[in-house]
Amino acid sequence: AQSVTQLDSHVSVSEGTPVLLRCNYSSSYSPSLFWYVQHPNKGLQLLLKYTSAATLVKGINGFEAEFKKSETSFHLTKPSAHMSDAAEYFCVVLGQDYKLSFGAGTTVTVRA
Amino acid sequence: DGGITQSPKYLFRKEGQNVTLSCEQNLNHDAMYWYRQDPGQGLRLIYYSQIVNDFQKGDIAEGYSVSREKKESFPLTVTSAQKNPTAFYLCASSIEGVGTGELFFGEGSRLTVL
Repeated sequence: AQSVTQLDSHVSVSEGTPVLLRCNYSSSYSPSLFWYVQHPNKGLQLLLKYTSAATLVKGINGFEAEFKKSETSFHLTKPSAHMSDAAEYFCVVLGQDYKLSFGAGTTVTVRA
Repeated sequence: DGGITQSPKYLFRKEGQNVTLSCEQNLNHDAMYWYRQDPGQGLRLIYYSQIVNDFQKGDIAEGYSVSREKKESFPLTVTSAQKNPTAFYLCASSIEGVGTGELFFGEGSRLTVL
């Protein structure tokens, strides 16, 4: 069965500095991977997706993620954090059974 | 604007009572889903439906029931059999049906059992 592990439950950055959110996946095949963002008391919004095309995926709001098969990772980055990036981020893998497995989430705090 | 509307946003229930959460979408999506979110955990799938009058159990269906009488609507009933119903409930839909990771979410309903 597929699964994802988000390596940090909480990340704190200063405004204008880079953001790195780490995600490792476990899958017996080449998976489809996603990052979602959730602002407080809101639903989730798709940031970006990887579906076996380019390994560097660009998403909305300046975020991007790189798929590394050798490291089974799909880390999310942004060069310069903005106050509006404060939210919870979920790494998600799509399984062969067509079900999504969500990571536990990483809460991002942005300091002024 | 197209989207998913969940209601109510906040709901309080006494133990032993059933409660129904509403989910309506005007995106013309075939597939709809219900997820449960607890603090520090990812989302867990309760039920999903690929077409009208058909739905499937997810990973944590016990104590919940759904119906899909219309394409636009997918209500979730939390029954008294659900042992720990206090949670944030999210409804979602997808244009391609089950097998896609691209979901559109509503803003959620927070249920608290008193």
